[in-house]
Amino acid sequence: EIVLTQSPATLSVSPGETVTLSCRASQSVVYNLAWYQHKPGQAPRLLIYGASTRATGIPARFSGGGSGTEFTLTISSLQSEDFAVYFCQQYDKWPPVTFGQGTKLQIK
Amino acid sequence: QVTLKESGPALVKPTQTLTLTCTFSGFSLSTSGVCVSWIRQPPGKALEWLALIDWNDDKYYSTSLKTRLTISKDTSKNQVVLTMTNMDPVDTGTYYCARSRDTAMVTLDYWGQGTLVTVSS
Repeated sequence: EIVLTQSPATLSVSPGETVTLSCRASQSVVYNLAWYQHKPGQAPRLLIYGASTRATGIPARFSGGGSGTEFTLTISSLQSEDFAVYFCQQYDKWPPVTFGQGTKLQIK
Repeated sequence: QVTLKESGPALVKPTQTLTLTCTFSGFSLSTSGVCVSWIRQPPGKALEWLALIDWNDDKYYSTSLKTRLTISKDTSKNQVVLTMTNMDPVDTGTYYCARSRDTAMVTLDYWGQGTLVTVSS
């Protein structure tokens, strides 16, 4: 089973800043990694798949990068609606599909 | 418009069997490549993938839970059902269903809002 480790667990930032979240895989997943945004009481939202392809309707301020075992999600010019939990997911070697434990982005 | 909604009991007793239904619209589970997964999240913990069923009725399960899980679909009703036997308090959490357009690339492009299941006597 591929383990995904996200860092940091919590990030306190101010609106307007740019942040980079990290996701590390225990073995290569090539480019088969997705990022999601999750707000309390809402359905998770697919942001990025294929490590760097934005899903339909996702603003350009969200960008993904990396390959193999190291991946990043960068959010530029943070807006108030971006404060949420972000988690990564690999689909290279499944079953099982696996998720990272999440990074909580909170307002400083 | 693609939507998914989970339904089932909010409270189950230990040792009971949980049955959850995912009712969806906006797509067909008979379309080649399409699949539906169940995922859960215990309070304060990470997401855990449970099971997946695809358009061809192929089924895949979490290794650690597969002896307790059964996933099935009713294409005519646009529903996917998950049963989990021998429930325990550690199974408490929010259960989600989610769609993928292609089993070759299991990205979960639409999710339900989840249903909270509490296991307690």
